[in-house]
Formats: sequence, C-alpha cells, structure tokens
Amino acid sequence: QVQLVQSGAEVKKPGALVKLSCKASGHTFTTSYIHWVRQAPGHGLEWVGVSNPTYTTAYSQSFQGRVTVTRDTATSTVYMELRRLRSDDTAVYYCASGLGSIAVYWGQGTLVTVSS
Amino acid sequence: DIQMTQSPSSLSASVGDRVSITCRASQDISNYLAWFQQRPGKVPQLLIYAASTLQSGVPSRFSGSGSGTDFTLTISSLQPEDVATYYCQKYDNAPLTFGGGTRVEIK
Repeated sequence: QVQLVQSGAEVKKPGALVKLSCKASGHTFTTSYIHWVRQAPGHGLEWVGVSNPTYTTAYSQSFQGRVTVTRDTATSTVYMELRRLRSDDTAVYYCASGLGSIAVYWGQGTLVTVSS
Repeated sequence: DIQMTQSPSSLSASVGDRVSITCRASQDISNYLAWFQQRPGKVPQLLIYAASTLQSGVPSRFSGSGSGTDFTLTISSLQPEDVATYYCQKYDNAPLTFGGGTRVEIK
C-alpha cells in the first residue's frame, strides 16, 4: 500500500519561505517520480514541480526560481521549499507519485496560509 | 509551454445521462494524457491514463478517448457520486500542465 504523508499546516508572513515534506512508503522510492501540485482556495490544480528518480528536477516557470524540490533517499522523503512567499501562494499543496510520471498516489495535502 | 483547455467549465446533467468532457492540447502530446476526479473537499484521484486506460478500481462507466491534441472523458451513465470537478493533465514532458477543470453537477 503506497502512502504519502505530508507535513502539517503552515502559516507564514509575506516574504518568508516554507519547506514542506512528503514521506513515502510502500513503493520503491528510488525509482519514483514525486510531484508537487497546489490548489488555491476555489481554484483548480496547478503543477508546481517534480523530483525525478535520477535526482533531476523540473519546475513550472510560474514560480520563477522561487521553488526547489529535493529528495532524501535515506528517509524516503521529498521536500519542497517555496521562497519569497506572497498572499497568492496561499493554497493546499499536494505531493503525488506513482506510475512513472503519472500521479496515482496523493498525499493528504498541506495548507499553507500566507498572511501578514 | 503547451496549454491544456477543457470544456465546458461546468455542466449539469440528470442521473443516468451520458456526459462528455473535452480537453484540448495546444500541441501534439500523443496519448500522454491523464484524467483526475476531485470530489468536493477531497484529494484528486486518477481515473484514466494514457488517454484511454482505466485506472484499477475505477468504475467502467468512465472512459477516455483521443490522441494528439483532442481528448474526451465520457461518463456513460451519470451517478450521484460522480459529482466532482474533473481535470485533464498532460504528462509527456515538463511542465505537466492541468486543464482548468470541469465541474459536474446533478440536475
């Protein structure tokens, strides 16, 4: 049973950074793509970025260098750091993994609130 | 970047109706397309990948078709539990863009 367990909710001020975690179990972490997807309140799904099994990453240009995804194979955990937070970064952030680059399994989501 | 456009943005249909949702890519993505269902307040769930392959456990009333730039998700007989927002996503290359979503309601 594949499980992705995400870290808890965060409240941050504009300009700060947030680092979220996603711990995977039940599948071969070293060969898994781990994606990050976000959903602002009342809005659709937005792909943020991905950590590939070869330790390469790719990101949406919408984040203009503000996001970094890293992985720790020893703990089967992927991290997403988002810097220079703005109010429109307020969203639920999901990690997802599964069949190649297809998001079969999803974490429970982490709410990030950016407010002064 | 390739854009993904879904239509309609919302629809209302009766239980038992056949419902179709369209997703159009701005460039050829072969069959690298997935469909997701997100029920209100819930985590998205994969319905279909490779444009037409039903994910394990998904009811057979869901089907997908298309290749290249034009894709369709069809619900053959709409059920109350199908009330949700449906998203397409390309996964050929980064960025793995989602469509804007289609909200499905029961009339």
